[in-house]
Formats: sequence, C-alpha cells, structure tokens
Amino acid sequence: QVQLVQSGAEVKKPGASVRVSCKTSGYTFTRNWIHWVRQAPGQGLEWMGIINPNGGATMYAQKFQGRVTVTRDTTTSTVHMELRSLRSDDTAIYYCARDHSNEMVVWWLDPWGQGTLVTVSS
Amino acid sequence: SSELTQDPAVSVALGQTVTITCQGDSLRTCYASWYQQKPGQAPVLVIYGKNNRPSGIPDRFSCSSSGNTASLTISGAQAEDEADYYCYSRHSSANHWVFGGGTKLTVL
Repeated sequence: QVQLVQSGAEVKKPGASVRVSCKTSGYTFTRNWIHWVRQAPGQGLEWMGIINPNGGATMYAQKFQGRVTVTRDTTTSTVHMELRSLRSDDTAIYYCARDHSNEMVVWWLDPWGQGTLVTVSS
Repeated sequence: SSELTQDPAVSVALGQTVTITCQGDSLRTCYASWYQQKPGQAPVLVIYGKNNRPSGIPDRFSCSSSGNTASLTISGAQAEDEADYYCYSRHSSANHWVFGGGTKLTVL
C-alpha cells in the first residue's frame, strides 16, 4: 500500500535549520507531487509548498519564500523539506502528503505522513 | 487569515445531520476536498470533488458545492465523527493551495 514515512522529531535552537524527510513507497514516485503542510500547537493546517518529483519543480507559500527548500531524491523515493532561520513560532508538526488532481478542478491529499514534530527553543 | 473560511465550531446531537461549510473565491473554479483530524493524529481524507469517498469512509459523509461555498454533510452523526474538519483547494491564482481554518465538530 502507499505509505509516506517521515523522519523523527527534532529540537532546534532559534536561527538554526531543520531538514525533515518523507520516504514514499507503494507507488511510482514521479507520478504524484508531494506537499508539505504544518500545524502549530492548537492551530489549523497551513500549506507550505509542493514539489513535482518528476523534474523537481517547486512552489512555495509566499510566507516561506526564501526560508524553505523542498528537494527530492529519486533514487530513494524521498522528499526533503529544509526550513532555515528557525524561530519559536516555527514550532509545529510538519506533514508531507501525496497530491492528486482530477482535470485540474479538484485537488486532494492522500495519504499523509505521520507528521514530524519540530520544536524550536533556546 | 485563511482564504477559505469555516465556522470555528459546530455541534450536533448524536444521530442527527450536520453541515459544515467552507467559503472562498477559489471554490468558484475548484472543488474542495475535506479532511478529518482527531487529536494527536494526522489528517485523513474523507471526501473530495463530486462526492468521492476513499475506501473505508462511511457513506454518511457527503459533499456539495454552490458558487463560492463547499459543504460537508454528515448524515446521522456518530460519536466517532467528533473531530476537526478542514476544507482544502487550490487558490484561484493557481500558484498555491489553501486550507480553511478548520471546524471543530462536537457530537452531543
């Protein structure tokens, strides 16, 4: 079955960088884009960015432009998300999710990774 | 603030029907998808497009769309449906995607 398995929890100091990985399996890696979504404690879901594993093209939310980079490794079917210049308000659970679209009028995410808690604290 | 607007909280009596709405300009050109999230768990897709449910999602979940509003309806709500629900769509600018702010559903 399709699975997205993320790397483990991280604790970082303000100003540092974090890299979260999302290893995919059970489907052809290059067929579906992968999104990154985060959720701060007690808050809603926030879309961060997307990568097309077939070629590596990316799009990012304006809020994270210049601070986030999403890459992919086709040899391991893994997507990585790096967030730099971390602040305390970057403390959140970070999720990857597999993208689907039907005729470009409906978009859905399924499945999701289990989430990775990133804690930013001095 | 989110570009998709949801009511923060909704309640429903056990066995009754409840509708959760999502409003935004992007919904005029794109259908929404809906996600259920229970405490401590990752979101789960419950329905998308024109009433498409993934396998394992009960048929008491349905959706509809009109103008700039998408709706998720739970017919005969069960205790296990108590959760946060999020709508999602591609922004009309086509260069990013957006979630609604989420609706906390309480089953009484």
